[in-house]
Amino acid sequence: DTAVSQTPKYLVTQMGNDKSIKCEQNLGHDTMYWYKQDSKKFLKIMFSYNNKELIINETVPNRFSPKSPDKAHLNLHINSLELGDSAVYFCASSQESSGATEAFFGQGTRLTVV
Amino acid sequence: AQTVTQSQPEMSVQEAETVTLSCTYDTSESDYYLFWYKQPPSRQMILVIRQEAYKQQNATENRFSVNFQKAAKSFSLKISDSQLGDAAMYFCASSQAGNMLTFGGGTRLMVKP
Repeated sequence: DTAVSQTPKYLVTQMGNDKSIKCEQNLGHDTMYWYKQDSKKFLKIMFSYNNKELIINETVPNRFSPKSPDKAHLNLHINSLELGDSAVYFCASSQESSGATEAFFGQGTRLTVV
Repeated sequence: AQTVTQSQPEMSVQEAETVTLSCTYDTSESDYYLFWYKQPPSRQMILVIRQEAYKQQNATENRFSVNFQKAAKSFSLKISDSQLGDAAMYFCASSQAGNMLTFGGGTRLMVKP
């Protein structure tokens, strides 16, 4: 069973479109995250979310929004896609948010904006 | 804010030899954790090893070990008896409040047969 799964794995879309990436974890974890990996392989946190708090990296444009229908899911919505949004997006989860526990990553979604 | 720096964009090692990947970090936190993640061509991020900052003893996991120098804010990864399957991108990371990871820029490790 996949611990953290993302769909789709690949997404090609046109500039200006709105798209969503889904993430589900079956580990019973309390905290979920979204990370962005750019073309130079640099990884950066976008959001951290548990049932109490959403922490947003201040550098993330407000066109990006996380939505969590329940504890096991954290979807990423992106409005008005731009060329610079092309990247690999990783979902992750951890048992709690103190830093003491391992984060488990999904397999990533490669988003290409044309 | 935390920063993590990996000064070696690429490294290569002969199969069965030992290689050390460097990492330095900066943090104002008193309680933090350090990690090495491996990213093979499959893109999956895999935890290699973790170190609690309050522990003086260096973490080890089979062929992987770290040299944690807290005063110098250094956290290097040593891979012994390198195998072809070790070829990947390696990312050093630190965790901060909220368990959000701050990653270094990565080191691409090539293993020569």
